[in-house]
Amino acid sequence: EVQLLESGGGLVQPGGSLRLSCAASGFRFSSYAMTWVRQAPGKGLEWVSAISATGGDTPYADSVKGRFTISRDNSRNTLYLQMNSLRAEDMAVYYCAKGGIRFLDYWGQGTLVTVSS
Amino acid sequence: QSALTQPASVSGSPGQSISISCTGTSSDVGGYNFVSWYQQHPGKAPKLMIYEVNNRPSGVSNRFSGSKSGNTASLTISGLRAEDEADYYCSSYRSTNTGVFGGGTKLTVL
Repeated sequence: EVQLLESGGGLVQPGGSLRLSCAASGFRFSSYAMTWVRQAPGKGLEWVSAISATGGDTPYADSVKGRFTISRDNSRNTLYLQMNSLRAEDMAVYYCAKGGIRFLDYWGQGTLVTVSS
Repeated sequence: QSALTQPASVSGSPGQSISISCTGTSSDVGGYNFVSWYQQHPGKAPKLMIYEVNNRPSGVSNRFSGSKSGNTASLTISGLRAEDEADYYCSSYRSTNTGVFGGGTKLTVL
């Protein structure tokens, strides 16, 4: 059974940093691209970033480019999202999902990031 | 990066069929057969319902189907059931090698 478990969310001040993790199990993690998607409270889904199976391709949404960094550790079956210079508009539930840009076949339950002073 | 355009809401009675449209451009929906659809119930994670325009993952009811014409994709749900009431999002690959979602459609089963 595929499982994706996000962690690392919490309260952070504007301008601060946070690193999200997503622990994967139930599939060969190193063979699949992975993606981060976020959802602001009461709003729709927003594609954030993806990473290829080897980590060599890492596209970003314009809204986070230069501030967020996606990475993965295939030896630990873990996906990461380093978020710097956080803004109020980054407040959202962050989901990790199995798959790349084409489609996302499994999703975690999400971790909430709150940006507030 | 503009989102794909979906109607804010649609509704239908049990047993009826409804369709949800998803309009993009030739740089996303119209240019690639990488349109997917997701169902999200309140407080839950999204679930993949259709991928690559018209393919259903294992376990998804055949009451759900997808299609595309030009820059517009559609999700059709036939034989509406109460449990289909949810938010639905389309997504597409974009020529900038990024992904994009639609704004979401709230389906109400009357």
